[in-house]
Amino acid sequence: NAGVTQTPKFRILKIGQSMTLQCAQDMNHNYMYWYRQDPGMGLKLIYYSVGAGITDKGEVPNGYNVSRSTTEDFPLRLELAAPSQTSVYFCASSYTPSVEQYFGPGTRLTVT
Amino acid sequence: KNEVEQSPQNLTAQEGEFITINCSYSVGISALHWLQQHPGGGIVSLFMLSSGKKKHGRLIATINIQEKHSSLHITASHPRDSAVYICAVPEGGSEKLVFGKGTKLTVNP
Repeated sequence: NAGVTQTPKFRILKIGQSMTLQCAQDMNHNYMYWYRQDPGMGLKLIYYSVGAGITDKGEVPNGYNVSRSTTEDFPLRLELAAPSQTSVYFCASSYTPSVEQYFGPGTRLTVT
Repeated sequence: KNEVEQSPQNLTAQEGEFITINCSYSVGISALHWLQQHPGGGIVSLFMLSSGKKKHGRLIATINIQEKHSSLHITASHPRDSAVYICAVPEGGSEKLVFGKGTKLTVNP
């Protein structure tokens, strides 16, 4: 099993550009999550999904969109990138919310 | 909203020392997570516990539900234990986790 994969690993965007961060898992997990991690801060939940076709906002959803058309994939879309979105983004998945989460390797995004 | 506090923020130890990292939270929970973030950035789940104690190798996690407090202990610490250790708890019974800011551990040879 590849576990949770994320692409790209690194990306530099100019202000106002858009991009999609890809996340996929091969563990047949129902729950998937997108987090951002800023220096010195705890992980913050952006969006999460409890299954294909069902998504909900987390703590910091502004400036982002998600979709979940399949169990495996959970892409995160950034529209009109802003410097405040400079961060490391982690995707995670779990079978249920009450068990451990499996994390992807992260995407380091810089917006200049 | 559940508030999570970890202490200390930074910890430096000599190889072989016994390490304790603490986590306190404000709202009663069903289970608490301990995670490890490697210097390269990868995050792995170490423990999920709802009561008592769990042990995995040199790592021991304990939780006191009444006091809303958990500790992560590392026995016979080694430089490869150098990482950021993160505590997380559910937010008010939802599917979402609230994370502490982490404790950065450095173990010197």
